[in-house]
Amino acid sequence: DQQVKQNSPSLSVQEGRISILNCDYTNSMFDYFLWYKKYPAEGPTFLISISSIKDKNEDGRFTVFLNKSAKHLSLHIVPSQPGDSAVYFCAARYNFNKFYFGSGTKLNVKP
Amino acid sequence: DTEVTQTPKHLVMGMTNKKSLKCEQHMGHRAMYWYKQKAKKPPELMFVYSYEKLSINESVPSRFSPECPNSSLLNLHLHALQPEDSALYLCASSQDTEPRRQHFGDGTRLSIL
Repeated sequence: DQQVKQNSPSLSVQEGRISILNCDYTNSMFDYFLWYKKYPAEGPTFLISISSIKDKNEDGRFTVFLNKSAKHLSLHIVPSQPGDSAVYFCAARYNFNKFYFGSGTKLNVKP
Repeated sequence: DTEVTQTPKHLVMGMTNKKSLKCEQHMGHRAMYWYKQKAKKPPELMFVYSYEKLSINESVPSRFSPECPNSSLLNLHLHALQPEDSALYLCASSQDTEPRRQHFGDGTRLSIL
């Protein structure tokens, strides 16, 4: 059973608009949540993270929101740019070094 | 350019072969990870080394044997693999400070004939 789920395999957004990527999890013991971005033929690269004691973290165009009661997190990208087109993975951490990943959402930002 | 280097990028091997995947980082990270990723699936954690000691083994079959010779290197020795072991194998490293965000290599694409 997957403990971290990304239910939308793909998302298409117009350049300049907001992209919202969603992630759900089942384990209430997760203490950190991270988003990674992946281009083809490359490994994932870290984007932004949030501790379970916070509900929002912002870094430039990227904001991650955490709703612990719903076991849900989301990544907002505003404004979206064509270079943001990639696969986005959410990950959750348990017990210092155990990370669980979602299956990814492919974002396409159209010019 | 990735700061975690994995070699080889591609590997094709038979089920009776013995081969090794290599991973190297020079960022001073003391945690290193192996993940397996099948197509359209999430990366799945296999092993974690912390300060050169195996700290997590996610019930991986013994045909996969990890080794951490020093703080910069991580190997994954392969022997008698099955066709279902064909996948992308990702190596990552992380610092000790929170949130231990991981730096990933570009992976080794492994095909078992």
